[in-house]
Amino acid sequence: DAGVIQSPRHEVTEMGQEVTLRCKPISGHNSLFWYRQTMMRGLELLIYFNNNVPIDDSGMPEDRFSAKMPNASFSTLKIQPSEPRDSAVYFCASRTGTSGSNEQYFGPGTRLTVT
Amino acid sequence: GENVEQHPSTLSVQEGDSAVIKCTYSDSASNYFPWYKQELGKGPQLIIDIRSNVGEKKDQRIAVTLNKTAKHFSLHITETQPEDSAVYFCAASNDYKLSFGAGTTVTVRA
Repeated sequence: DAGVIQSPRHEVTEMGQEVTLRCKPISGHNSLFWYRQTMMRGLELLIYFNNNVPIDDSGMPEDRFSAKMPNASFSTLKIQPSEPRDSAVYFCASRTGTSGSNEQYFGPGTRLTVT
Repeated sequence: GENVEQHPSTLSVQEGDSAVIKCTYSDSASNYFPWYKQELGKGPQLIIDIRSNVGEKKDQRIAVTLNKTAKHFSLHITETQPEDSAVYFCAASNDYKLSFGAGTTVTVRA
């Protein structure tokens, strides 16, 4: 079974450009999470979707960040315009959403560098 | 919100020895405590978890203990091997939100 798939794995862009990160959750999982990992702040939850609906976006740092989940097998995280402080590793994770099942499975991440 | 503290931040052990990582949490409502292992350039990998109705759980060389009264939980790795070298994160959750510790870098010396 394929795990969580993320693309691209690495992204280098200039300040002010739009960046789009992509995620395919594990088939059958109906909860999806976007996290950001930095040395200073560790792993932070950005947004949580359940059944394609955003439930908690309180971790989204600014209006420059937006996330969508148009269907059960695809999600995007967009940064527009990007800034150097957005440089981080962005992870997508998914879980089944079954009552009592809490396990979250992470993708390999996208390393974003904004120059 | 939940606050998870993790110690130590780095741990160096001789191959074959045991490693112990400790975490404390602040929210008594937290009921799920996973541990993740992250290797360089990879995403966090769930290695073991425990729920609040259980005091201890084992899976081969790894075990986790939970003390709800004291609000702390620990990861124990026995007979460490070079492939155990990685960063380990604890987390606490009530429902969907995982609050992570800062991580422990474990180095197993051959």
